[in-house]
Formats: sequence, C-alpha cells, structure tokens
Amino acid sequence: DAGVTQSPTHLIKTRGQHVTLRCSPISGHKSVSWYQQVLGQGPQFIFQYYEKEERGRGNFPDRFSARQFPNYSSELNVNALLLGDSALYLCASSPDRPGGYTFGSGTRLTVV
Amino acid sequence: RKEVEQDPGPFNVPEGATVAFNCTYSNSASQSFFWYRQDCRKEPKLLMSVYSSGNEDGRFTAQLNRASQYISLLIRDSKLSDSATYLCVVNDATSGSARQLTFGSGTQLTVLP
Repeated sequence: DAGVTQSPTHLIKTRGQHVTLRCSPISGHKSVSWYQQVLGQGPQFIFQYYEKEERGRGNFPDRFSARQFPNYSSELNVNALLLGDSALYLCASSPDRPGGYTFGSGTRLTVV
Repeated sequence: RKEVEQDPGPFNVPEGATVAFNCTYSNSASQSFFWYRQDCRKEPKLLMSVYSSGNEDGRFTAQLNRASQYISLLIRDSKLSDSATYLCVVNDATSGSARQLTFGSGTQLTVLP
C-alpha cells in the first residue's frame, strides 16, 4: 500500500516567489494536515482539511493557503516567500477515527 | 510557556543503558498523546500512543499522568538503532472534528557503541 506521498521532495525558490506543494493521503484517509518544521524544532501545525473543508488553521499568515480535492489529495500554497519560510513541509493523513497520523517524507523548501 | 515542553537534549548514552524522556503539556483538555520518532532529515514516525494506564511495547514504556499533565518514555537496553530525535506529541481537538498535533521541540538521543 502506498503511504502518504508528497511532491516535490526538494525545492529552491527565490524570495517573493510562490510555491505549491502537493500531498496524496493514504487510500481511504479523508483528513489531510500540513505542518512546517524548521531546523531544530518540532513540526508546527498549519492547516487541517477534512472532506474538502478547512477544519483547522494554525498561527500562520495569510500568505499560506491550502485546499483539498475530491480525491482527498491536497495542495499547500505559499505566496511572497520569505527566507524564514525555509523548512521541511510535512503532510499527514489520518482516518476518520482519532489516532496517530501518518506523515509523508516531506518537501524540503529552501528560499534564497 | 510552550504548549508541549520536553527535556532539553542531547542525550548520549552507551548501548544497553536505560534512558528516560519527560514531557509536560499545558492544555488540560488535550485528548490523546503520542511519542513520535524522527530520524535525521526524515519524517516523524509514530512510536507509540500513551495511555493513563501505561503501555509497553518491547523495550519501550510510555506513561501518562493527566493530573500532572506529564508524559514519559522509558527505553530499556538501548540499541544503536534507537539513535534519533524523540518527539512528545499532544492531539488537541480544536473545533468540531478538527484536530491538531502539537509537538514538543524533540529530544535528541545518541546511543554510543
């Protein structure tokens, strides 16, 4: 079975550009969450989507947006990139019932 | 105050040692608790859930004290392959069915030969 897949794996962007990151959850999982992990810190919650609706948003600026598609895959968009947006962006999927989340291997974004 | 606080690392221990990690959380309404393991430049992976009754998985024992808002992880007979960062994680319900994981900063463990 395929796990959570994310693309691209690595990305280098220039300040001011925008970026789109993609995530496909585990088959049957309807919830997708996005996390940002900067070096030396634990992941920070950005968004949760469930059944194509935003269900939760972390403390991130409006430059960050996301959406979920009918097949439950998701995109994270970041506009007007800053150097501080350089991080590992993780997508996690979970089934309907409470429980542990499964993370994808992440997209490593470097803003120069 | 951070929502989830962990022991500062790094921990460097010899093979075979017993090592304990501690964690406290600030939200008394938090619903579920986990330990995740993260290898260098990899994604976090669920190590084990944590229950008030305590739970054990081989060499790993996790414990939750809701009254003290305290979570622990004990690793016995540590192996070289246990070297990783251990993340204390709390699952909070925000609204409706929304849930978010709140992570500690992690504690780095290096097991030495």
